Parts: sequence; structure tokens; C-alpha cells
Amino acid sequence: AQSVTQLGSHVSVSEGALVLLRCNYSSSVPPYLFWYVQYPNQGLQLLLKYTSAATLVKGINGFEAEFKKSETSFHLTKPSAHMSDAAEYFCAVRRGSQGNLIFGKGTKLSVKP
Amino acid sequence: GAGVSQSPSNKVTEKGKDVELRCDPISGHTALYWYRQSLGQGLEFLIYFQGNSAPDKSGLPSDRFSAERTGGSVSTLTIQRTQQEDSAVYLCASSLARPGGGYGYTFGSGTRLTVV
Repeated sequence: AQSVTQLGSHVSVSEGALVLLRCNYSSSVPPYLFWYVQYPNQGLQLLLKYTSAATLVKGINGFEAEFKKSETSFHLTKPSAHMSDAAEYFCAVRRGSQGNLIFGKGTKLSVKP
Repeated sequence: GAGVSQSPSNKVTEKGKDVELRCDPISGHTALYWYRQSLGQGLEFLIYFQGNSAPDKSGLPSDRFSAERTGGSVSTLTIQRTQQEDSAVYLCASSLARPGGGYGYTFGSGTRLTVV
């Protein structure tokens, strides 16, 4: 069975600092992995996805994530945080190749001026 | 439509009443999903429709919850005899189900259900 664990329910960074949001996955088959962002009072928006084409995946708004099989990780990073990045971020893994996505509990990112 | 549309955006209901939540997916998307988002609980999978296949109902928390998808398009999630623990944001998503599994969802803005 697949699952994801997001370490840290809240992360706070200063504007301009590195953003690192952690996600570890568990999967018995090669995983399909996703990061979604949810801005306040909005639905979820796809940031990026890993589909085995490349281990370093670039997404929207300057975010990227690296798939590390040896560490079963898919951490999300951004070199320099903006105030507009304040949101909740969800990591997800697909159940099998055609099933639903299984989401982590989310990490709320705060950006301090 | 241009996006996934959910209605109503907010619903307040009395405990014990039935409620219906509607989702209108992106035209042509064959897959439709319902999730529930509670404070601090992340997204809980409820049910999944894929084309004409039987829906995957494995996430429905009790037999008070049901969903249908008519004509492969609009879906309705029904909660009977609502309880206070049903209070949450109910999210709908749709996708094109392509081989390989590397497809993401498009989410609606959700219906915030409050049971009083």
C-alpha cells in the first residue's frame, strides 16, 4: 500500500530564505508523486509531479522537488521565499497506476517579512 | 467548463438532515474524485469514478454517505442524517485518466459543510 508522510505541520521562514518542505513516501511499486498548494480559501493547485522521467522536477512559482529513491523522499524546495508563498502544501502519491491520490496531512508555510 | 465547479460553496444544516453536494467536472474529464478536508486531518479520500466502471467507494466513512455520477459528468455526494463530525470542506476533483499514472487532478474550490 502507498502512503506519504509530511514532516512538520508548520514551517516558518523569513522572506528570501530557503524553503524546504519534507515528504517521505512508502510504495511497493515505482511511485507517482505530486505536490499541491492550497492558498487560503481556495482549492488545491498542482505545483509539480514526478513520473519517473527525471529525478529533479521543476514546478510553478520557482518550486522544485527531487526524487530520492534511496531515501524514499520527495522534498519540496524553493531557493528564496516570497510572502506570496504562504499557503498549505500537500504531498501525494498515486495508488497504483490508475487509482486515487493519497495525500499527506499538509504543511502550512508561513513567510515572515 | 473552464474549471471544476462545486455548489453550494457553503452549507449549514441541522443535525439529522440530509444534504446534497454537487460537482461539475471539467468537460471531457473521465475521472472524478471526492475528498473531505477536516482541520488538521489533510485530505481524506471518499470515492472515485472512472468512466463507466463501478466506482471505488472504499473511502466512504459510513453508509450514510453515497455518491452518483450521472451521464459520466455531474456528480452528487449525498450525506444522510448528518452528524456534527461530518462538518468539513468537501472537495471534488477531476482528471483525464491517461496510462502511466502521471496525471494530476484539477480541484474545485470545495463546499464547506457545517452541521449544527
